[in-house]
This record gives sequence, structure tokens and C-alpha cells, in this order.
Amino acid sequence: DAKTTQPNSMESNEEEPVHLPCNHSTISGTDYIHWYRQLPSQGPEYVIHGLTSNVNNRMASLAIAEDRKSSTLILHRATLRDAAVYYCILRAGAGGTSYGKLTFGQGTILTVHP
Amino acid sequence: NAGVTQTPKFRILKIGQSMTLQCTQDMNHNYMYWYRQDPGMGLKLIYYSVGAGITDKGEVPNGYNVSRSTTEDFPLRLELAAPSQTSVYFCATRGGGTGNQPQHFGDGTRLSIL
Repeated sequence: DAKTTQPNSMESNEEEPVHLPCNHSTISGTDYIHWYRQLPSQGPEYVIHGLTSNVNNRMASLAIAEDRKSSTLILHRATLRDAAVYYCILRAGAGGTSYGKLTFGQGTILTVHP
Repeated sequence: NAGVTQTPKFRILKIGQSMTLQCTQDMNHNYMYWYRQDPGMGLKLIYYSVGAGITDKGEVPNGYNVSRSTTEDFPLRLELAAPSQTSVYFCATRGGGTGNQPQHFGDGTRLSIL
């Protein structure tokens, strides 16, 4: 499985934007980039995913580099509730044998200051 | 709509005891997964199922067994509990189609083996 590299931790102030980076230099052409987050004492929660184009949803935006070797999760206005561990995960697309399995790294711990 | 329900939420076992962690979903999803998460680490896949009657090993299956007799239920069995199995266990589901449907996680079972 292609690996991802994320900073161990990041800090932000409330109501400011947050840019969480992820490097995935060995990504294959059919790998999708998924982001999940895990709030304290909860199971992981899906945030967003994309393949080549930038993506937006109600939770966040995903900016994908043109060569796809890196991506950035953007929280437009951080709130205290966004304090969590954020995981960047590569997942094989249709036709693969991964059966949608997720391989979690250690993620980025995001601290949000009031 | 309960989503993914895991029981019990907490459990303490003695070494050598056995127990079953329950996972039930009401989303009619074919794919189900069991992960474990050790302190400060990402999740690791134990077993997964692509439908009723079909299961397969993940990354760390030793010491565990699963069954999938119905779409709704995917229990995880520990036969001879060992201290190394102290962890938080998460069950997840995913709808069919391409590998890019998001996974939906339960709130976890916190298990201590003493």
C-alpha cells in the first residue's frame, strides 16, 4: 500500500483557517485520497475524498497537487469541535482487491486554541 | 437510525478468558470491518467481510475469530484473552460499489486484559 506522511501535530486558533498537509509521493494513478478525523474517545469520522480535482463539502475542502504527490485538507474556520486527529489515507479505486480497506498512519493531532 | 452499534462499551477480562464483541448495523451495508487501536497509534485492520458468509483476515488477525451469518451482525471473538489484546476495538461498515464509499464507524469497545 502506498504510504502517506503527515506532521505529528499542528495548532490553530479558533475561527482561523487550518491547512493540514499530506505527502504521498508513491501514490498510484488509481488511488483516491481520503481524509478521516477522530475526535477524543470516538470512532473515526469520514471528512472528504478526491482523486485529481479539488473537492469541497460542508466539512472541509481538499486541495490536490497537480502531480498528486501531495494534498492539503483545508478547514475554513476552525472551531473547538475540530480538535481531533486527522488521518490522510490512500485507497485503491474500483477494480482493486483492497475491498475498501483503510490503512491508518498516526495522523496529525490538531489543537484549536480559543 | 442507529448506524453502527457496538457492545459492550467497556470490558475488563482476565487472562485466558474469552468474550465476543458485538457489532450491529442498520444501514444494509455489505462490507464490514474490525479494527483495533492501541494508545497513540492509528487503527489496524483485524478482519473484514464483504457480505454474509464471507470473511477474510486483515493485518493483525492472530488471536481473533469472526463470523458473518447475517448482513447486520459481525461479531468478533477473543478465545484466550492476552494482555497484548488490551486495546480499543472499532467496527465499521461501508456500502457497495466502488472502493470509495466512506466507512462508518461505531463508538468502540474499550477492552482491558488483566
